[in-house]
Amino acid sequence: GNSVTQMEGPVTLSEEAFLTINCTYTATGYPSLFWYVQYPGEGLQLLLKATKADDKGSNKGFEATYRKETTSFHLEKGSVQVSDSAVYFCALSSSTSGTYKYIFGTGTRLKVLA
Amino acid sequence: DTGVSQDPRHKITKRGQNVTFRCDPISEHNRLYWYRQTLGQGPEFLTYFQNEAQLEKSRLLSDRFSAERPKGSFSTLEIQRTEQGDSAMYLCASSLQGEPEAFFGQGTRLTVV
Repeated sequence: GNSVTQMEGPVTLSEEAFLTINCTYTATGYPSLFWYVQYPGEGLQLLLKATKADDKGSNKGFEATYRKETTSFHLEKGSVQVSDSAVYFCALSSSTSGTYKYIFGTGTRLKVLA
Repeated sequence: DTGVSQDPRHKITKRGQNVTFRCDPISEHNRLYWYRQTLGQGPEFLTYFQNEAQLEKSRLLSDRFSAERPKGSFSTLEIQRTEQGDSAMYLCASSLQGEPEAFFGQGTRLTVV
């Protein structure tokens, strides 16, 4: 079945450091890929998405490229801020079952220190 | 549009009691999903509606759980005879048919004591 694997956290960085959070997936067909962010006590906010191979999603300085050959969708940001501290979830959505339900990774907690 | 709305935000209940949560999706979205998120984990799919029809249920959705979407608009999730293991964040999401992107509500955090 479909699955998402993302790097374990927590990831602790100093402000202005470079961020990479790794995400790989297993899926039949051609899934859409997403990164969501969750702040404490809150729901999920869509950060970025990519719907086909080689697409690059970007938002608020974050980027991720849909790599079909390596089945990866790694999240990157060139210079993190304290306000980026949150939990980040990689997810896929596939139409093969007709539902577009999401499969999430376990999340990676990011802590950015001033 | 105010996005996906869930009520209540927090619920504390005693073991054995019944609880009901409500989700109001984005108005033009005909697809609605429920997910459960336990501490330190990613959300897990529970069930899916297209309009008023419940088209898929996860094996996580035991007989004590029931979800409805009577008029294809808001949805309710009821848990009967709650157990401590039901403590989790319950998330609702909605999307347009054929669109992979779903929008999530703020969630209802359930604590069973």
